[in-house]
Amino acid sequence: AQRVTQPEKLLSVFKGAPVELKCNYSYSGSPELFWYVQYSRQRLQLLLRHISRESIKGFTADLNKGETSFHLKKPFAQEEDSAMYYCALLNFNKFYFGSGTKLNVKP
Amino acid sequence: NAGVTQTPKFRVLKTGQSMTLLCAQDMNHEYMYWYRQDPGMGLRLIHYSVGEGTTAKGEVPDGYNVSRLKKQNFLLGLESAAPSQTSVYFCASSYLRGPGGELFFGEGSRLTVL
Repeated sequence: AQRVTQPEKLLSVFKGAPVELKCNYSYSGSPELFWYVQYSRQRLQLLLRHISRESIKGFTADLNKGETSFHLKKPFAQEEDSAMYYCALLNFNKFYFGSGTKLNVKP
Repeated sequence: NAGVTQTPKFRVLKTGQSMTLLCAQDMNHEYMYWYRQDPGMGLRLIHYSVGEGTTAKGEVPDGYNVSRLKKQNFLLGLESAAPSQTSVYFCASSYLRGPGGELFFGEGSRLTVL
């Protein structure tokens, strides 16, 4: 069965520090993975998807099939990055989400 | 273009009461979903629909029913509300054609069952 695990409930870093939000998955096929973000008082929205290999707002995420991970990284965190981050896996027609990591970037 | 709209945004129910949450999307998306969001548990899929007239169970379907009579609307019903159904409910829709499908979310509906 597919599963998405985000081991950290809360991650606090100082502005300018690197940040890495962890995501591990279990899935038997070739996964389609995403990171979604929910800023305060805003809707959940797509941040990035692994298939696009893009960098959004300075964030990148690399799919590591050997370690079954899709960690989200940013070299220099900004205060506006403070939000709730969800890793998600698409299996056929269904999106499965992790439990989320709250990122708090301190000034 | 409103995207995904959920009504109501807030509701307080007593145990045993029934209610319906309405989700409407104006993007002509085929796929629609209902999730619940609980602290420490993330988003869990309740039911979903791959097109008008179709529905299917997700991870946590018990205690909920859904209907998709029109392509743009996806209704979530609670026949007999229980305190365990206190949660924030999110509707989402997607086009899901080919790889890289994206979910578009509503603002959420906060339901409290006393």
